[in-house]
Amino acid sequence: DIQMTQSPSSLSASVGNRVTITCRASQGISTWLAWYQQKPEKAPKSLIYAASSLQSGVPSRFSGSGSGTDFTLTISSLQPEDFATYYCQQYNSYPVTFGGGTKVEI
Amino acid sequence: EVQLVESGGGLVQPGGSLRLSCAASGFSFSSWVMTWVRQVPGKGLEWISSISGGGDTTYYADSVKGRFTVSRDNSKNTLYLQMNSLRAEDTAMYYCGKGSSYSISWQSHWGQGTLVSVSS
Repeated sequence: DIQMTQSPSSLSASVGNRVTITCRASQGISTWLAWYQQKPEKAPKSLIYAASSLQSGVPSRFSGSGSGTDFTLTISSLQPEDFATYYCQQYNSYPVTFGGGTKVEI
Repeated sequence: EVQLVESGGGLVQPGGSLRLSCAASGFSFSSWVMTWVRQVPGKGLEWISSISGGGDTTYYADSVKGRFTVSRDNSKNTLYLQMNSLRAEDTAMYYCGKGSSYSISWQSHWGQGTLVSVSS
């Protein structure tokens, strides 16, 4: 199975800050990577797929990059509604696996 | 607008069974891979099963293989998860997700989830 390791597990930031979250795969997954945002008591929401493609309706302050084993999610200017937990997911092969999550807090 | 609505969760005793449903609308259901993902309260996301658009190919996580069965009724635009031999560690929120036309996919849309509690 492909292990997905996210870092950091949590971070504190302020509105307007640039935030970067990293995700590392235990083996190469090309660009078969997605990012999700989850707020408390809510379902996950798709942000990015294919490592860098923005899901329809997602603000352009979110961006993704990387290929192979190392990936990043960047929020260019953190907004109040962005405080949430973020997960990466590899869909290169079954079983599909998620990273452990990164909680973005004030 | 894509909508996914899960139902069927509840309290069940260890060893019991439950069938979850996910009613889909707003897209051509039979064209897309569908997936079940669960989340233990306060923990991360765990993929548990996916099924091809035609329903002929299924995939399972080792943690549920042999106990859970995913299926779909494309005439009813509904995805199912039959859960047997339930254990305390199956307690979680269960989400269904819409994939893509590829055999393996991210989830572009999610339902609101249905809570399964396994306890005596």
